[in-house]
Amino acid sequence: SAVISQKPSRDICQRGTSLTIQCQVDSQVTMMFWYRQQPGQSLTLIATANQGSEATYESGFVIDKFPISRPNLTFSTLTVSNMSPEDSSIYLCSVASGTSYGYTFGSGTRLTVV
Amino acid sequence: DQQVKQNSPSLSVQEGRISILNCDYTNSMFDYFLWYKKYPAEGPTFLISISSIKDKNEDGRFTVFLNKSAKHLSLHIVPSQPGDSAVYFCAASGIVTGGFKTIFGAGTRLFVKA
Repeated sequence: SAVISQKPSRDICQRGTSLTIQCQVDSQVTMMFWYRQQPGQSLTLIATANQGSEATYESGFVIDKFPISRPNLTFSTLTVSNMSPEDSSIYLCSVASGTSYGYTFGSGTRLTVV
Repeated sequence: DQQVKQNSPSLSVQEGRISILNCDYTNSMFDYFLWYKKYPAEGPTFLISISSIKDKNEDGRFTVFLNKSAKHLSLHIVPSQPGDSAVYFCAASGIVTGGFKTIFGAGTRLFVKA
């Protein structure tokens, strides 16, 4: 299955600033997925990033807050904009593993907004 | 509206004994179910899955049971080992309102005591 490198692994940011998270996959993939896990909550899909088109956002998530880039088939970024303490979460990128509806995840970015 | 629920935030088990992790779902349109394991500072990794046409799937020490009428699945780990200490997420996949979705539970933290 694919190997995903995600960075940064963690960051502490001031409210009102933005953070860009990067994910690099070791193979070409059509779709990349961005998830958020708030403390004590489930993994929630933010958006699906397709190469060459706009990302598709899930209900409750908007492009202005979470702009996504997908410049090629192996790379994607997620920006958390104008951060507030409520954005403190673990953010994960993933790709379909190709078998059994499964997903392969990056190691995650633990974001703390102060 | 939590469509996938893991009602036990944590579970502690003695090494060598059985660990049973439970998961309930609400939408009967889900037809594929997965378990993921997550260690600290790592992304979730796929563990085992089951299709709705089966009621049991076994892989070594790990067995997943599905009770469709009760909309309930469970993961059994026998015998439990200290290295199994991790957070376990269940997930349900299928074509639901809005298209194909994979919905995750909030996770159960398993502690296996030596």
